Amino acid sequence: QKEVEQNSGPLSVPEGAIASLNCTYSDRGSQSFFWYRQYSGKSPELIMSIYSNGDKEDGRFTAQLNKASQYVSLLIRDSQPSDSATYLCAVNPYSNTGGFKTIFGAGTRLFVKA
Amino acid sequence: DTEVTQTPKHLVMGMTNKKSLKCEQHMGHRAMYWYKQKAKKPPELMFVYSYEKLSINESVPSRFSPECPNSSLLNLHLHALQPEDSALYLCASSQEGTGSNQPQHFGDGTRLSIL
Repeated sequence: QKEVEQNSGPLSVPEGAIASLNCTYSDRGSQSFFWYRQYSGKSPELIMSIYSNGDKEDGRFTAQLNKASQYVSLLIRDSQPSDSATYLCAVNPYSNTGGFKTIFGAGTRLFVKA
Repeated sequence: DTEVTQTPKHLVMGMTNKKSLKCEQHMGHRAMYWYKQKAKKPPELMFVYSYEKLSINESVPSRFSPECPNSSLLNLHLHALQPEDSALYLCASSQEGTGSNQPQHFGDGTRLSIL
């Protein structure tokens, strides 16, 4: 069973702080890793993609990938109340039948307090 | 606004009705997906179309019937649904076909309620 695990939270941080969201995955053959943000009642919105070990920065967001530890994280710097949402970690594991099926974690709820 | 358009945004139907959900994208993506999402749960994959052919069916009940008329359109035909089928139905698309490492882009979803 291929799994993606996230702490469901809620994770509460004060405005301006760094929010750190973590995700582990079970399939060592996984190739692609994504972070989606989902506001309540809305659809998931892609915020970061990462494919190789290390850090990838985009504005206030930094994704970190460590394939040896099967770990991917998302850092949000200078957190704003508008960042309050559920963050879904998504992984494309390898499939021996061909093709990738994105596996979503359960999501971490983030609250940024003004 | 998203580049994947879903209609209708809301749908209420009885268990004996037949209805269809529609999804359209004009990004040139060749893979399209249907997901079901219940409250406080992650999206659950239902179907994947790659180059207009059904490539993945996640053992979805036959009361859900997908159709891909062309590379830009994806339909989900609904018939004899159960109350537990009430959920947010999400359409997504991605570049290339199944096997792609590209991320998926989601539509706003159709909120479906079964009476």
